[in-house]
Amino acid sequence: GAVVSQHPSWVICKSGTSVKIECRSLDFQATTMFWYRQFPKQSLMLMATSNEGSKATYEQGVEKDKFLINHASLTLSTLTVTSAHPEDSSFYICSIQGGWTEAFFGQGTRLTVV
Amino acid sequence: AQSVTQLGSHVSVSEGALVLLRCNYSSSVPPYLFWYVQYPNQGLQLLLKYTTGATLVKGINGFEAEFKKSETSFHLTKPSAHMSDAAEYFCVVTANTGNQFYFGTGTSLTVIP
Repeated sequence: GAVVSQHPSWVICKSGTSVKIECRSLDFQATTMFWYRQFPKQSLMLMATSNEGSKATYEQGVEKDKFLINHASLTLSTLTVTSAHPEDSSFYICSIQGGWTEAFFGQGTRLTVV
Repeated sequence: AQSVTQLGSHVSVSEGALVLLRCNYSSSVPPYLFWYVQYPNQGLQLLLKYTTGATLVKGINGFEAEFKKSETSFHLTKPSAHMSDAAEYFCVVTANTGNQFYFGTGTSLTVIP
C-alpha cells in the first residue's frame, strides 16, 4: 500500500502562534488528501479535503481561516493551525485514498497548545 | 449516505479468550467495510476490508470479520487474544458513490493477563 508520512509527530506551541503540519505521500501521487481530527477517546472526524492545485473543501463547522490547507504538489499537503488556542489541542491525521477501497494514514501529529 | 455504529466503547477480554468487536452499518448502496487498528499516538493500520466477493474476510494478526447483509453487520473476531492486541479499533464504511470514509466511534480493547 501507499506510504504516508506526517511531520512532526508531536508539537507543543504557545497560544496565539501558528503551527504547520506536513503530510507527504511517499510513493503515490495524490491529487486528493484528507485531514482528520481526533479528540481523546473519540473517533476521527473529517475536517477537510485537500485538492492539489485548488482550494480545499472544508466540512461543516470547520473554520477555513483557522485551518489553512495547501496542496501545492501531488505529494505534499500542509495544514496550518493559525492563532492556536488550547481547544485546538488534538491529534491530527492525514490520509490518502485509493479510490473507495482503501485509505492510507499518516502516523498523526499530536498538537498541544499551552 | 453511510454511517457506522460500534457497540461497546470498551471491551475487556482475558488473554487467550475470544475477541468480538461489534459493528453495524447503514448504507443506501452496497457498502465497502473496513476495520482499522490504532495504537497509542499512532496512525491507523488496516486490519481487513470487505469490498465484494467472499463475505468472510481474513486480515492481519489473526483477525477476521464477516459481512452479513441481512444483519447489516461486520463484526470483528479473533479466536485467541494476545496482549499485543490491546488498542483502539475502528469500523469504517464507504461506498463507490463517493470518497468519504465514515468512522465508527471506536472500541478500546483491553487484554487482561
